[in-house]
Amino acid sequence: EVQLVESGGGPVQPGRSLRLSCAAHELKFENFAMHWVRQAPGKGLEWVAGISWDSGRVGYADSVKGRFTISRDNTQNSLYLQMNSLRPDDTALYYCAKDIGIWEDYGMDVWGQGTKVTVSS
Amino acid sequence: YELTQPPSVSVSPGQTASVTCSGDNLGNKYTSWYQHKSGQSPVLIIYQDVRRPSGIPARFSASNSGNTATLIISGTQAMDEADYYCQAWDSSTVVFGGGTRLTVL
Repeated sequence: EVQLVESGGGPVQPGRSLRLSCAAHELKFENFAMHWVRQAPGKGLEWVAGISWDSGRVGYADSVKGRFTISRDNTQNSLYLQMNSLRPDDTALYYCAKDIGIWEDYGMDVWGQGTKVTVSS
Repeated sequence: YELTQPPSVSVSPGQTASVTCSGDNLGNKYTSWYQHKSGQSPVLIIYQDVRRPSGIPARFSASNSGNTATLIISGTQAMDEADYYCQAWDSSTVVFGGGTRLTVL
């Protein structure tokens, strides 16, 4: 079964760091772009970051640019999100999502169950 | 870049629901649509304006022209009650609309 499994979430104090991971199962991970999307409590979906199939292109939401770094390891079928200088408004459920294509202009057709990040003192 | 959706839409069972998504020259970009039910992960229901992934019922369709993309749900069922989000790319970043809560009354 095609599956994405996120891990690494949890409670963290403001200003600290956290690294999220996403393990891909039963899919040709290296052929597709990947994304992190989050949903804060009571809010809508917000794209956080994306990375092309070959890591050649990356993009970030303005709200996380300079603080978060997306990366992938195609040999390990894994996606990562390094989150630094965390703020309370980064509190959200973070989803890993697979794109249909290699970068732009497609859609995200496989989603994980999400990992919860809570930033609070 | 911003995508604007109505916060809520109501529809009676069996009727047709329309959810709009507005953005500057949106018709020149590809739009995707997602269904998101409470406690579940989002589901892609439309991509590249009009294409349905396998397994998505044919009652879901969409269009995109000018400044507005529209998701159409024909013969709406109780199970279609959910939040719906449009999404597009702009300047190599992904943008989601604010979401529309579809209520099936």
